[in-house]
Amino acid sequence: NAGVTQTPKFRVLKTGQSMTLLCAQDMNHEYMYWYRQDPGMGLRLIHYSVGEGTTAKGEVPDGYNVSRLKKQNFLLGLESAAPSQTSVYFCASSYPRGSSTDTQYFGPGTRLTVL
Amino acid sequence: GQQLNQSPQSMFIQEGEDVSMNCTSSSIFNTWLWYKQEPGEGPVLLIALYKAGELTSNGRLTAQFGITRKDSFLNISASIPSDVGIYFCAGHVTSGTYKYIFGTGTRLKVLA
Repeated sequence: NAGVTQTPKFRVLKTGQSMTLLCAQDMNHEYMYWYRQDPGMGLRLIHYSVGEGTTAKGEVPDGYNVSRLKKQNFLLGLESAAPSQTSVYFCASSYPRGSSTDTQYFGPGTRLTVL
Repeated sequence: GQQLNQSPQSMFIQEGEDVSMNCTSSSIFNTWLWYKQEPGEGPVLLIALYKAGELTSNGRLTAQFGITRKDSFLNISASIPSDVGIYFCAGHVTSGTYKYIFGTGTRLKVLA
């Protein structure tokens, strides 16, 4: 049981390049999330998914796209990277249905630098 | 976005001391979660609380779900150097919402 895994762990991009971050969870969780964490800003929600085939925008969705083709995977795409997207990206998953099961687990993070 | 008020923001303590921190909200939550994050790592879930008044322990850590459902507390007893990190809370309303609201974090530094 690996929990939530993310690949890659580190990446450096040039402005305008594209990339995809992969998140996988083996806990059969319905909900998955992508956050970014910047100094002094806390965790900010980019996009989330409440089930396979569904995605929705969070607080800071601009410049990102997501897909959830399989329940266990949630992909975050940057179509044309900008320096403002330099950040640490965390994926999380949760199963919020009712008491005693509501938990959210995070992956180890991807540190992205855009030059 | 919305953040929960967490205090203290940071603290230095001597090894062996007990630590207390809390999180307050203007909204009622059904769930409180407490996390620890170390440098370069993702947040790790420490304790989950589901019921007003609930007191739950995980080793030297004890957390409580406030009876008003608008606050939660985390205590660390007999701190050790590996307790260093940022602790933050998260609140959630389980019925029909996707969003977890996070605290601003408490940075803990332990002096050996």
